Amino acid sequence: SQELEQSPQSLIVQEGKNLTINCTSSKTLYGLYWYKQKYGEGLIFLMMLQKGGEEKSHEKITAKLDEKKQQSSLHITASQPSHAGIYLCGADYYRGSTLGRLYFGRGTQLTVWP
Amino acid sequence: DGGITQSPKYLFRKEGQNVTLSCEQNLNHDAMYWYRQDPGQGLRLIYYSQIVNDFQKGDIAEGYSVSREKKESFPLTVTSAQKNPTAFYLCASSIGAGNQPQHFGDGTRLSIL
Repeated sequence: SQELEQSPQSLIVQEGKNLTINCTSSKTLYGLYWYKQKYGEGLIFLMMLQKGGEEKSHEKITAKLDEKKQQSSLHITASQPSHAGIYLCGADYYRGSTLGRLYFGRGTQLTVWP
Repeated sequence: DGGITQSPKYLFRKEGQNVTLSCEQNLNHDAMYWYRQDPGQGLRLIYYSQIVNDFQKGDIAEGYSVSREKKESFPLTVTSAQKNPTAFYLCASSIGAGNQPQHFGDGTRLSIL
């Protein structure tokens, strides 16, 4: 069963619009990682969230982790064509683990049209 | 610059053939991982290794094998037992402790001839 659900599966927005991608876990998260992927390429690390209520920003991308640590959202302000790609969330479920193993959602395909 | 190098970028396999995908990192990371990505799916873990000479099966290890003889290298062999090997394969590494992100290579696309 899929422990990590991403929504929406795909998103098409006009340049300049704001958008939000959600990542929901069936279990409490120890850490939540956001990555971006261009088609046919590797994943680029965006942000990591650990604490309930935590919020981080990088340029026009903001990620939040809810207080219960079971849901995260990624918000893009004033989208640009350079934001297009696949956004994936990865979950770390184990406190104190040295494994560093992550469980990934299916990804959200973002298209930004001019 | 430090990073993860995967080779080749494209690979073709004939029926009944084993193929090996290369993954090398110069980040001095202890942990390394192999993932498989299929269209519309997230990443599924094949194998991972925390230290040299040790590795564990992930969620879809059947038909795959790995070795970890050096800290920098974690090659993946796709054996003939893997009946549906066509996919995008991603290698990653991390420091190995919790709270640290994984860093990814550019991937290898494997196709069946």
